[in-house]
Amino acid sequence: GAGVSQSPSNKVTEKGKDVELRCDPISGHTALYWYRQSLGQGLEFLIYFQGNSAPDKSGLPSDRFSAERTGGSVSTLTIQRTQQEDSAVYLCASSLPGGTYEQYFGPGTRLTVT
Amino acid sequence: TQLLEQSPQFLSIQEGENLTVYCNSSSVFSSLQWYRQEPGEGPVLLVTVVTGGEVKKLKRLTFQFGDARKDSSLHITAAQPGDTGLYLCAGNDALTNTGNQFYFGTGTSLTVIP
Repeated sequence: GAGVSQSPSNKVTEKGKDVELRCDPISGHTALYWYRQSLGQGLEFLIYFQGNSAPDKSGLPSDRFSAERTGGSVSTLTIQRTQQEDSAVYLCASSLPGGTYEQYFGPGTRLTVT
Repeated sequence: TQLLEQSPQFLSIQEGENLTVYCNSSSVFSSLQWYRQEPGEGPVLLVTVVTGGEVKKLKRLTFQFGDARKDSSLHITAAQPGDTGLYLCAGNDALTNTGNQFYFGTGTSLTVIP
């Protein structure tokens, strides 16, 4: 079946502009995660959605970052007034709840803020 | 907060050699996952370990979870160029155990030279 998809694959934007990143999880996966990865580094947790529960936003680095998940499926991560330090690869993952929460990742969106 | 430390950070070896990658923490994890990530792609799950002292084998890869569930190791036998990639460990916090908070290690970048 189809895996996790993300769009766009690459995004170049000017400092101060807003950007929206999209994630389509695997069908039937009710848990969805957003992470940020700097070049060659580990993943930084941003936000977690589980079904209709309130999302865990504890990893969002500032109030310029927000995310929503419509209909329990597609998710959008929005970064307002982008800064150069926002440049990174943004990864989305989905999983079935319970058990060991094995995550399936999308290919990521590479964001470059100039 | 970075709870998981991986070592070494970089590793370059000849094809056919053996290697071990370590993932250490002062925190206890209810489960620990290992991923491999190739350039331009998202991480791909290799294994999940949940029991202290557990050993899992996946072909030439051997994963071990420490008895106290604070550390893990990945051993590769007779490395091949296809093993090249960024290896990431990720732990699920045993204290919260809600499934929504995964802490990723800093990663080990492995290069296997033909």
